[in-house]
Amino acid sequence: GIQVEQSPPDLILQEGANSTLRCNFSDSVNNLQWFHQNPWGQLINLFYIPSGTKQNGRLSATTVATERYSLLYISSSQTTDSGVYFCAVVTSGTYKYIFGTGTRLKVLA
Amino acid sequence: NAGVTQTPKFRVLKTGQSMTLLCAQDMNHEYMYWYRQDPGMGLRLIHYSVGEGTTAKGEVPDGYNVSRLKKQNFLLGLESAAPSQTSVYFCASRARAGEGGELFFGEGSRLTVL
Repeated sequence: GIQVEQSPPDLILQEGANSTLRCNFSDSVNNLQWFHQNPWGQLINLFYIPSGTKQNGRLSATTVATERYSLLYISSSQTTDSGVYFCAVVTSGTYKYIFGTGTRLKVLA
Repeated sequence: NAGVTQTPKFRVLKTGQSMTLLCAQDMNHEYMYWYRQDPGMGLRLIHYSVGEGTTAKGEVPDGYNVSRLKKQNFLLGLESAAPSQTSVYFCASRARAGEGGELFFGEGSRLTVL
């Protein structure tokens, strides 16, 4: 099956810093989505981005499907950005959303 | 705006007991999914459904059964619970291919098996 790997696995930032999270996948995908799991365990949709670039406030994402990766950019990080960031993909020809390994982010005040 | 609703939110079982988790969505989505998340880990797909009356196995289906008798509901059953099934269970849904691929999650159900 498809392998979905995220890097870095852990990240500690000072408030106000910028960061880039990466999601690599081993096969062609139809769908790709980024989620933030907050410290209370809720999964929050950030971006649905099978290709191209999107921005939402301090967050933006880019997916280059032909090269099998996606990037999530967080600018001017805040303590509320802390949590785990997951990417999830649907392999071409299937219906299953498979999750990556996650990046655990901690933003210090 | 209910979205995806899971019941119950918390449950404690003894080894060997059975239970059913209910997932209900009000977005008329065709596809529904059950995942489990163990502490400090990612989400693993248990079973999924691509329409009323259909189910299929995911990555970790053993020990679970599912049913999709109505389009809006997806049930996850544990026939004989084991401590290894202690986890947080998440349900999700999305529209069919070609109508939007965004996945929407419920708030999770925390299950402890003693």
